[in-house]
Amino acid sequence: DAKTTQPPSMDCAEGRAANLPCNHSTISGNEYVYWYRQIHSQGPQYIIHGLKNNETNEMASLIITEDRKSSTLILPHATLRDTAVYYCIVRVGGGRDDKIIFGKGTRLHILP
Amino acid sequence: GAVVSQHPSWVICKSGTSVKIECRSLDFQATTMFWYRQFPKQSLMLMATSNEGSKATYEQGVEKDKFLINHASLTLSTLTVTSAHPEDSSFYICSASQGRTEAFFGQGTRLTVV
Repeated sequence: DAKTTQPPSMDCAEGRAANLPCNHSTISGNEYVYWYRQIHSQGPQYIIHGLKNNETNEMASLIITEDRKSSTLILPHATLRDTAVYYCIVRVGGGRDDKIIFGKGTRLHILP
Repeated sequence: GAVVSQHPSWVICKSGTSVKIECRSLDFQATTMFWYRQFPKQSLMLMATSNEGSKATYEQGVEKDKFLINHASLTLSTLTVTSAHPEDSSFYICSASQGRTEAFFGQGTRLTVV
């Protein structure tokens, strides 16, 4: 079972920041938080990942709480092309126990 | 980001035949590959995890004799759906990862069994 919970859907106005929350209260110390998104009928696209520090790349920022029990993905200036299902995943990474389990994700609608 | 190529993008086959789907990591060596199935309006369901040179580890409820996974090299894994039936029609997606780095996904294969 997925170790994360996300709201099923969210709306965001085009040009505004989209903040997508994720709860992972049972995360272990060696598990990373990964974010992917899936646009209809395509494979998931990697966005960002982190362990305990906040991370930023050209696509998004990832804010992880100090207790690591939740995180927020921030798309700073949402466009219509950001409409997708966003998945938050916890993963050990590497080794025989490595798994990537998807939850139900958040369907993000960007409104013109 | 790294490129994972999945082939074919779509395939239609007759009931009872077998179909092979290839997953290649084009610019990195994938020590681990994951195979997923996705039904309409649902999330991705992990079918199996394979490490290069080892037998695949299947998730509970996934028939290993029906979904044959081979990960013979660090750049190629294959999924063969044997004796396909209409209920096997789905969107199959592979993912490749090198150790603790991020995993990258193929573009998916839409299988239709008629």
